[in-house]
Amino acid sequence: QQQVKQSPQSLIVQKGGISIINCAYENTAFDYFPWYQQFPGKGPALLIAIRPDVSEKKEGRFTISFNKSAKQFSLHIMDSQPGDSATYFCAAQTQGGSEKLVFGKGTKLTVNP
Amino acid sequence: DTGVSQDPRHKITKRGQNVTFRCDPISEHNRLYWYRQTLGQGPEFLTYFQNEAQLEKSRLLSDRFSAERPKGSFSTLEIQRTEQGDSAMYLCASSSRGSGADTQYFGPGTRLTVL
Repeated sequence: QQQVKQSPQSLIVQKGGISIINCAYENTAFDYFPWYQQFPGKGPALLIAIRPDVSEKKEGRFTISFNKSAKQFSLHIMDSQPGDSATYFCAAQTQGGSEKLVFGKGTKLTVNP
Repeated sequence: DTGVSQDPRHKITKRGQNVTFRCDPISEHNRLYWYRQTLGQGPEFLTYFQNEAQLEKSRLLSDRFSAERPKGSFSTLEIQRTEQGDSAMYLCASSSRGSGADTQYFGPGTRLTVL
């Protein structure tokens, strides 16, 4: 059972365009939603995160939009750059206990120059 | 560099052999996690330590897998009698327990190939 569903699997965007990655979750106990960025040969690195009491969070060119009723959240990358080319993972976490991360399957983003 | 180191970075072994991986977390972090990542998938949780205590294990962690964190510092993950299905990237992450969500910092991973 996949608890966090992510789409699309791959995404190609031109430099300067907007990249949008979507995620949906099922477990209403999740209360923290981070996005991780992973480059080849590296471990995932936290990009931005949101709690369900907020509908949007923006950090630089990266924005998370959160829809609690639909149990969906998305990552928007504005003015996409070739250096943003990486694999992006959404994740979900329940505070308290182990706080293990449940990841989506990932989106491979390619930004063409 | 997140400050979490893993050794070795790559390991090639033959089916049936035992392998051991090491993770050195960020020094002040009391929480340590192991995840497994296969090609085209997101990382999957394997086990969690708070200090030296192993508090949670995934059903993915068969009895061939064992993890330790002596003295709450570095951790080791051992796989006995490796199988080809064990081929994956093994990721270690650490965090510091505090109020609110604690960022998990990942190491670069150990890529295991079982021939």
